[in-house]
Amino acid sequence: TQLLEQSPQFLSIQEGENLTVYCNSSSVFSSLQWYRQEPGEGPVLLVTVVTGGEVKKLKRLTFQFGDARKDSSLHITAAQPGDTGLYLCAGDAGGTSYGKLTFGQGTILTVHP
Amino acid sequence: EAGVAQSPRYKIIEKRQSVAFWCNPISGHATLYWYQQILGQGPKLLIQFQNNGVVDDSQLPKDRFSAERLKGVDSTLKIQPAKLEDSAVYLCASCLQWGGDTEAFFGQGTRLTVV
Repeated sequence: TQLLEQSPQFLSIQEGENLTVYCNSSSVFSSLQWYRQEPGEGPVLLVTVVTGGEVKKLKRLTFQFGDARKDSSLHITAAQPGDTGLYLCAGDAGGTSYGKLTFGQGTILTVHP
Repeated sequence: EAGVAQSPRYKIIEKRQSVAFWCNPISGHATLYWYQQILGQGPKLLIQFQNNGVVDDSQLPKDRFSAERLKGVDSTLKIQPAKLEDSAVYLCASCLQWGGDTEAFFGQGTRLTVV
């Protein structure tokens, strides 16, 4: 079973601060996704990265896939209270496990006004 | 476009009772997943279907959990008998056909409490 370790598990910051969430594994993934989940809802996809070294930007969010496709990071600039939620990374191992999404344990982000 | 529908939203049962959850994926989506999410943790894959065939059920506790997707459309997940540690949110997700940049769409989940 391939594991994804997310850090930190909890993050409590003030509005306007920057933050980075990390997702690490000893395994290679063919693609990696980031989701955001609000209480009482299912996860919603933010981005998919598929190429080693790839960087994608979504407004104030920047996602990076490691060169070796084993790790990823999510950076939020000037966090807002609306960014509060559970952030999850999920990897697809590919090969015989094609399409099997393995999730990290999540990072609970709280942004205080 | 309608999203992934799940029912019920909430269920409270006593331990050793049985329970079933239902999922209707987005129309045309070939891949369907059931995940278990314990409070404050990431979802754990229980079973993955491709049309009506099982792709992966390696983490499904088969002594008490079962799932089916008979016609390749909607799916049911059953627990019999339930244990206290089964208390969690059960999420259903679907995607069109997995391939690189495919997005998985999740339902709102069923929150199960076993007392």
